[in-house]
Formats: sequence, structure tokens, C-alpha cells
Amino acid sequence: RKEVEQDPGPFNVPEGATVAFNCTYSNSASQSFFWYRQDCRKEPKLLMSVYSSGNEDGRFTAQLNRASQYISLLIRDSKLSDSATYLCVVNRYSGAGSYQLTFGKGTKLSVIP
Amino acid sequence: GAGVSQSPSNKVTEKGKDVELRCDPISGHTALYWYRQSLGQGLEFLIYFQGNSAPDKSGLPSDRFSAERTGGSVSTLTIQRTQQEDSAVYLCASSSNRVLGTEAFFGQGTRLTVV
Repeated sequence: RKEVEQDPGPFNVPEGATVAFNCTYSNSASQSFFWYRQDCRKEPKLLMSVYSSGNEDGRFTAQLNRASQYISLLIRDSKLSDSATYLCVVNRYSGAGSYQLTFGKGTKLSVIP
Repeated sequence: GAGVSQSPSNKVTEKGKDVELRCDPISGHTALYWYRQSLGQGLEFLIYFQGNSAPDKSGLPSDRFSAERTGGSVSTLTIQRTQQEDSAVYLCASSSNRVLGTEAFFGQGTRLTVV
């Protein structure tokens, strides 16, 4: 089983729609979680961290379920500019006081006019 | 520097030649990652350096690939006897991995084309 798994998509949604992405992780020792965004032919950039209690940033809501080892990202009122690939990222302790990030393959979103 | 710097930004090489890709991480970042991304595909983990510890090389696809990190800063990814399937964007990222919850910052990548 891969350490971080995502549905690759693509998700094609109309403007204004609500879309949800899911991610599962296999290592129960994982300690922190993120969503990154990657635009076409660009490098990935941090979208938001994911907190245990769930967190919201404008139209974006991230949730974590540690028992099920599951992370989600909800985008409300989709905009054309939301079209990108969304990467799920997991951080775990790797020994010697260090942490290692593992990236999922990403889910591609296309918002259609 | 202000961010992660990679060079060259583009590299075209002939099949069978060796190439070196360079990454300058953010100053003070102890963790450095190399990823490969083929056109339209997800990130493929290659190698991870953390401080002075032995690197995690589990993602290197063959013995033609190697990487080193000198002085805990600059890293070089070397591909020997390049093949056409090595054509991809090679991305480097760094983070301050001693702090839980910190993000990784990516360079803009090196686009490698093997002809």
C-alpha cells in the first residue's frame, strides 16, 4: 500500500460547484498534514495545513480523521482559478529529531465555465 | 537566498550523456528532497537528505541516478548514461524538518529533455 493515496481524477466541475478531495495515509505515526496546490507547469505550493479539529480558509475546508487515517479538502463555490492539481502531504517522524514529508500523486481539478 | 534555486532551468542532452542538476536550498533548511515529474504525472520521490544522517535513497529508479549534498547545503543530482525515459522535470524542495508542521518549499525545477 502506498504511504499516501489520492484519487488522480480528473474532477471536471462547473463554476460554483462544491468539490471534495480525499486522501488516505498508511503510516499511523504520521503527525502533520497539508494540502499543496500545483498549477500547470509550475512547482507545488502550500495551500493549507490540516489541523486535528479541522480548519477553514475562505472557500477551502480541510479535515482530518486520525482514526480512519483520512484527510479531505472541500472547495466551495469553485472558481476557474481553482483549476490545478491538489496534492495531499503527510509529515512523519523519521528519527534523529527529524521529520519527513511524503507527497501524494495529486488530484487534478478542472473548473469549467 | 530568498527561495530554493535550481539550475539549469532547462537542459537538453543526448542519450547516453551524463547530466548534473543543482539545487540550492533555503539557507538553514536541514531537509532536502528531490522529486521527478513526467509530463502530466504526479511527483515521483527520488531521494531525501536530512542533516548529517544517511539519505533515504529508496526512490532512485536505477543505479544510473545518484545524489549528494555537500556541507549540508547544496545538492547535486547526477544521471549517468541518460535515457529518453529520464526526460522529466526534476524538482527540489527544502524544509526546516526539525520543526513539526513546517512546510516544504520547492524550486522551479529543471526540465530535462533527452534526445
